[in-house]
Amino acid sequence: QQQVKQSPQSLIVQKGGISIINCAYENTAFDYFPWYQQFPGKGPALLIAIRPDVSEKKEGRFTISFNKSAKQFSLHIMDSQPGDSATYFCAASGSNYQLIWGAGTKLIIKP
Amino acid sequence: EAQVTQNPRYLITVTGKKLTVTCSQNMNHEYMSWYRQDPGLGLRQIYYSMNVEVTDKGDVPEGYKVSRKEKRNFPLILESPSPNQTSLYFCASRLGTALWDEQFFGPGTRLTVL
Repeated sequence: QQQVKQSPQSLIVQKGGISIINCAYENTAFDYFPWYQQFPGKGPALLIAIRPDVSEKKEGRFTISFNKSAKQFSLHIMDSQPGDSATYFCAASGSNYQLIWGAGTKLIIKP
Repeated sequence: EAQVTQNPRYLITVTGKKLTVTCSQNMNHEYMSWYRQDPGLGLRQIYYSMNVEVTDKGDVPEGYKVSRKEKRNFPLILESPSPNQTSLYFCASRLGTALWDEQFFGPGTRLTVL
């Protein structure tokens, strides 16, 4: 049973638009929520991460919004660029050191 | 250059023929792990190791073995591969066991079992 549900599976956004990917989790013991970016033929790479003591974290054009009561978190990519086209994974982890991954979202930014 | 390397990058084999995928990191990381990536399922952890000679099962360990005799190396062994092990495999490492330690991934090994 997947413990982190990610949506949508795929997303097409116009250049300059906002890309939004959502994740929901079940285990209230999770306390670390990273997002990874994966380009074709490459391994995932950490993009941005948040802990539940804050509701938002911003790094450049990338923002994580976190809603602890709803057990949801989302990635927002502002001013989306063609170079942002990739597969994005959310993940969650608790005290057992293991990352539980979402299924991934394939993002395409149309020029 | 700090990196995680995997070999081979591509492998086609037949059912039952033992194989090993090597993984090596040059960052002196304590924690290493193996994942498989399948469409619609994200990444699922196979095995992980928190230090030399310490290994533990992840979510999908059946049909796989690992060893951690040296800090830098963490090979994945398939004693008798089956077609359902056809997948994209990633090795990863991180400095320690702190949740916020960044995890670094290798380039992946695409395995096909006929």
